[in-house]
Amino acid sequence: GDSVTQMEGPVTLSEEAFLTINCTYTATGYPSLFWYVQYPGEGLQLLLKATKADDKGSNKGFEATYRKETTSFHLEKGSVQVSDSAVYFCALSENSGGSNYKLTFGKGTLLTVNP
Amino acid sequence: GAVVSQHPSRVICKSGTSVKIECRSLDFQATTMFWYRQFPKQSLMLMATSNEGSKATYEQGVEKDKFLINHASLTLSTLTVTSAHPEDSSFYICSASVPYNEQFFGPGTRLTVL
Repeated sequence: GDSVTQMEGPVTLSEEAFLTINCTYTATGYPSLFWYVQYPGEGLQLLLKATKADDKGSNKGFEATYRKETTSFHLEKGSVQVSDSAVYFCALSENSGGSNYKLTFGKGTLLTVNP
Repeated sequence: GAVVSQHPSRVICKSGTSVKIECRSLDFQATTMFWYRQFPKQSLMLMATSNEGSKATYEQGVEKDKFLINHASLTLSTLTVTSAHPEDSSFYICSASVPYNEQFFGPGTRLTVL
């Protein structure tokens, strides 16, 4: 079955540091890939997505590129801020046989950015 | 656009009672809604998928008689935790989608069973 593996945290950085959170996946088909962010006590917000190989998703300074050859979708940001402190989830979605696209999540990576 | 709400945001109940959580899509009609459970410091576990007007499809290991899901309209799905026990305490998150589109998540409901 489908699975997502992302680097375990927690990750602690100083403000303006470079961020990388690794994510790799296994899938039977050709999935869409997502990064979601969860701030403390809240639900998930879509951060960025990519639907085909070599696509780059980007939002709020975060980027991730869909690499089919390495089955990866690593999240990067050049300069993190304290407000980026949150849990980040990598996820994939495949057609489950109809029009419903189930999401498979990684375990999440807690990021803490210190001033 | 694509806003999903949940009510209540927090609920505390006594063991043995039932609790209903609502999930609404505010500005779109959702043909499919998903219910997730999240344990502390863990990922989201899909509990069930519900399509408007039909019975929910539960994931393996989820007790359908304990977690009752109703998707009566294109904008509302409810999750009822029946005869709740302390081990049911968790963060419950719903999401809503239209065919061939992404899921939009609600803000979650924190359930505490005493």
